[in-house]
Amino acid sequence: DAGVIQSPRHEVTEMGQEVTLRCKPISGHNSLFWYRQTMMRGLELLIYFNNNVPIDDSGMPEDRFSAKMPNASFSTLKIQPSEPRDSAVYFCASSAREGRTDTQYFGPGTRLTVL
Amino acid sequence: SQKIEQNSEALNIQEGKTATLTCNYTNYSPAYLQWYRQDPGRGPVFLLLIRENEKEKRKERLKVTFDTTLKQSLFHITASQPADSATYLCALDPNFGNEKLTFGTGTRLTIIP
Repeated sequence: DAGVIQSPRHEVTEMGQEVTLRCKPISGHNSLFWYRQTMMRGLELLIYFNNNVPIDDSGMPEDRFSAKMPNASFSTLKIQPSEPRDSAVYFCASSAREGRTDTQYFGPGTRLTVL
Repeated sequence: SQKIEQNSEALNIQEGKTATLTCNYTNYSPAYLQWYRQDPGRGPVFLLLIRENEKEKRKERLKVTFDTTLKQSLFHITASQPADSATYLCALDPNFGNEKLTFGTGTRLTIIP
């Protein structure tokens, strides 16, 4: 299995621009998670899905952030408009079981820089 | 409020010695606890899981303990090697409902040759 796939690996954009991050979870996994990691705050859960349905988006910083999972093999995290404080590494992870959390398999991350 | 603390941001250990990392938590009753390893520029990788009714878990040179009375987990690497240098994260699964795994901020371990 190729593992969790994220694209792009690096993104540099200017303040105010729309940013879309993409994730393909491991085939057969039922849960998908989006995290943000910074030096100051560590790894923060933004949102997670079970069977393509958003379960908890309480970690989404504000309305500028949105996430979708139109099918079991694809998810996007969108930031519109982007701000410099959004600069971070964004990870997508998937796990096999729905409901209760299970071991999570992380993608390589997308390093976002907002100028 | 719920809180997870890992003992220090950075830990330097001489090669061959045992490295011990600490994860303390408050206001949780976790069903289980996981340890992950993260290398620079990469996502975390799962290492070990220990359940609340288990005192100790081992995997090769790794050992994890879980003390629900002290609200603490210890992560040991015996016979440490420079290749063990990485950031180690603990993660707790709250023992109710549909709650998600919550990660600590991590400890950066360096094994000195």
